Amino acid sequence: QLVLTQSPSASASLGASVKLTCTLSGTYSTYAIAWHQQQPEKGPRYLMKLDSDGSHYRGDGIPDRFSGSSSSSGAERYLTISSLQSEDEADYYCQSWGTGIEVFGGGTKLTVL
Amino acid sequence: QVQVVESGGGVVQPGTSLRLSCAASGFTFINYGMHWVRRAPGKGLEWVALISYNGDNKYYADSVKGRFTISRDNSKNTLYLQMNSLTAEDTAVYYCAKGGGRTVTTWFDYWGQGTLVTVSS
Repeated sequence: QLVLTQSPSASASLGASVKLTCTLSGTYSTYAIAWHQQQPEKGPRYLMKLDSDGSHYRGDGIPDRFSGSSSSSGAERYLTISSLQSEDEADYYCQSWGTGIEVFGGGTKLTVL
Repeated sequence: QVQVVESGGGVVQPGTSLRLSCAASGFTFINYGMHWVRRAPGKGLEWVALISYNGDNKYYADSVKGRFTISRDNSKNTLYLQMNSLTAEDTAVYYCAKGGGRTVTTWFDYWGQGTLVTVSS
């Protein structure tokens, strides 16, 4: 069963960097994922697609402060946000897909201190 | 630019029905699968349903299977979600999302702002 696991919360200081993690279950470590951001009271925004080898493809208008990477096994996928800004305070979701199903991680609430 | 705009939300009583619409523009609608995703109060994103580019393939989350029906009108660039037998657990903001790739299941690359559905007596 395809399950994505995220830490519920993270925090980092203004101007610093933060690395968020999404872990794919079991035999799904080769699956691609996507990262999405949801700021308070707004619709989600697509950030990037991230393959198991760490290749990532940002959405339209997404600055290069947002980058993706993968662990050597591919099971862990990361979203790194550098030069944190106040507007980066948001919920971040990873998403993947299989035959006839789409799955989200539980989301990570990022607080910018 | 790509836009998807949801409408049709509101306050309804348990057991009743509601139909949501999503108007798409800025891309060739018929080329892409489309999705509905929801976010209940205090919860995370939950995928609800998807429909392939031509409407031949439809898939649903277990939580809505048998009650919700996704459909599309490619002549009107519009996506729909018919929701029947609504319960309080269906209370959420419902988002329309465009599929990013050409496969039936794929990532979502554009989202709407959402429409709120409240099921309450």
